[in-house]
Amino acid sequence: DSGVTQTPKHLITATGQRVTLRCSPRSGDLSVYWYQQSLDQGLQFLIQYYNGEERAKGNILERFSAQQFPDLHSELNLSSLELGDSALYFCASSDSGSNYNEQFFGPGTRLTVL
Amino acid sequence: DQQVKQNSPSLSVQEGRISILNCDYTNSMFDYFLWYKKYPAEGPTFLISISSIKDKNEDGRFTVFLNKSAKHLSLHIVPSQPGDSAVYFCAASANAGGTSYGKLTFGQGTILTVHP
Repeated sequence: DSGVTQTPKHLITATGQRVTLRCSPRSGDLSVYWYQQSLDQGLQFLIQYYNGEERAKGNILERFSAQQFPDLHSELNLSSLELGDSALYFCASSDSGSNYNEQFFGPGTRLTVL
Repeated sequence: DQQVKQNSPSLSVQEGRISILNCDYTNSMFDYFLWYKKYPAEGPTFLISISSIKDKNEDGRFTVFLNKSAKHLSLHIVPSQPGDSAVYFCAASANAGGTSYGKLTFGQGTILTVHP
């Protein structure tokens, strides 16, 4: 158990809909990262938040947005969903010390868009 | 443009023997490298890492070697155990300059199967 929790575990929805994925980082970790794992793309970095502020952005679509709240949990919002958004979405967290590269991953949310 | 590549999709090894997983990278700005293990229906689990100022890091049965001139790293598992059967991902980050702070670029993964 990495200490990172993600809800829900599975999500099935239809094209055009909007969903919210939730992540709680390990206790004490200030950084939260979101990754997408699809069959053909592997694990792709989406976005990073540090203590409530956006720190780095990857290939995140404009239809997707994220935020980190004062209690450090984070939400990833996916809107106008398309079939190609079906994937595993992972959240990870790391501390702000010298080991910040070592990210600890949650179990993921499997999103299926029908 | 795949900056981190794991060219072997799968590797099969006998229990007790050495497993060697390979990873190549193209971005010379990468200065920190990690290996993750992933079981089905779970998130990736951090295994071992190495900074670009080193060429070897060891942790129990796991050793990572880094060859900067060849832009190549490898993970050695000795001895291999059936419980090591999983997907192994290498990842890299570029920390100098502060613009990619903590962002990991992953390879496609190698499925390791260790036979009893």
